[in-house]
Amino acid sequence: DTGVSQDPRHKITKRGQNVTFRCDPISEHNRLYWYRQTLGQGPEFLTYFQNEAQLEKSRLLSDRFSAERPKGSFSTLEIQRTEQGDSAMYLCASSLASGGPDTQYFGPGTRLTVL
Amino acid sequence: GNSVTQMEGPVTLSEEAFLTINCTYTATGYPSLFWYVQYPGEGLQLLLKATKADDKGSNKGFEATYRKETTSFHLEKGSVQVSDSAVYFCASGGANSKLTFGKGITLSVRP
Repeated sequence: DTGVSQDPRHKITKRGQNVTFRCDPISEHNRLYWYRQTLGQGPEFLTYFQNEAQLEKSRLLSDRFSAERPKGSFSTLEIQRTEQGDSAMYLCASSLASGGPDTQYFGPGTRLTVL
Repeated sequence: GNSVTQMEGPVTLSEEAFLTINCTYTATGYPSLFWYVQYPGEGLQLLLKATKADDKGSNKGFEATYRKETTSFHLEKGSVQVSDSAVYFCASGGANSKLTFGKGITLSVRP
């Protein structure tokens, strides 16, 4: 069990550029979540997948954001036309759906800075 | 929607002091409740959880009891150590396990 990994760990970009982040969940986990965390706040839910299906999206996820999990394993989160307000830590978590409340395991996050 | 409220921080304690970090929630139905911890330079880790009323979660000397009547899940530890210095997040989770987090509180423990 290597845990949840995220790549890159840090990304600096200029306003208006597109960025893509990757998350590799724990291998047997069928649920995958994306959260965003800004300074001094707790993580906020963005979206989640069960296998390859995207089952819920937060209203925080504007049209500039898109997430995929094409084969039910790794996931990507793309932000188009980045804005300074997108600067945050983007966290990925995975869990094994068990019919009850899952325990989510978090990755180290990708810190995005938009200049 | 669901929400989680944590007491304002930061909190600074001397080693071996008693710790209480307050957490209250609002939710439709009966969520599961969690405490996550983030040590310096590390990712979020689950500290403990409780899935129904009156359940007590415990780990590493920390405890929290799910109180439906007061909609609370306060975190306690009888004797904190320097190594407990971290940011603590209370969270609630619904049927789809989507988590709603509080703002977090920074705990610093002095030797």
